[in-house]
Amino acid sequence: NAGVTQTPKFQVLKTGQSMTLQCAQDMNHEYMSWYRQDPGMGLRLIHYSVGAGITDQGEVPNGYNVSRSTTEDFPLRLLSAAPSQTSVYFCASSYIGNEKLFFGSGTQLSVL
Amino acid sequence: ELKVEQNPLFLSMQEGKNYTIYCNYSTTSDRLYWYRQDPGKSLESLFVLLSNGAVKQEGRLMASLDTKARLSTLHITAAVHDLSATYFCAVVYSGGGADGLTFGKGTHLIIQP
Repeated sequence: NAGVTQTPKFQVLKTGQSMTLQCAQDMNHEYMSWYRQDPGMGLRLIHYSVGAGITDQGEVPNGYNVSRSTTEDFPLRLLSAAPSQTSVYFCASSYIGNEKLFFGSGTQLSVL
Repeated sequence: ELKVEQNPLFLSMQEGKNYTIYCNYSTTSDRLYWYRQDPGKSLESLFVLLSNGAVKQEGRLMASLDTKARLSTLHITAAVHDLSATYFCAVVYSGGGADGLTFGKGTHLIIQP
């Protein structure tokens, strides 16, 4: 059982480059989300989705885009990477009405 | 705005000792979660506390919830090295869903032989 799969695990970007972080889950969860984790800051919600075709902003959405074309996939796009986006990114999913989140293994992103 | 505060943020303790991590939150909530994160790893769900007075135990860890005091505790009994990790509490405000989940900053726990 794969659970929540994130790719890549590591990525280095130059300022201004764009890229997409991939997230897929095989548990048929309606809810999917992206968090970033910074030292001493806990986890902060970037964007989330409650189903295919539905997305919304979290606490720190600026500089990121998402889409949800299928139940399984929820990619996160960095449009023009900035050093402030250096962080560890986690994708998480759950059933609607149950906040027990299942997390992916994370993507460590460095923007130079 | 829901605020979640954990203390301590860093804890070094010896094996065999007992200790408690505290999680305070600022607004009404009746759902609280504890997660564990090993260094360089993802977060793993430990406990789900869904009502006032709820108590959950697994091994040497016991979590409790007091919604009136807006407080949850994670108690460690006779600590062992394998429990070294960062522990997060996460709270949902009443009426909110998973998008309303707010995490504390985490308690970095080191257990020394």
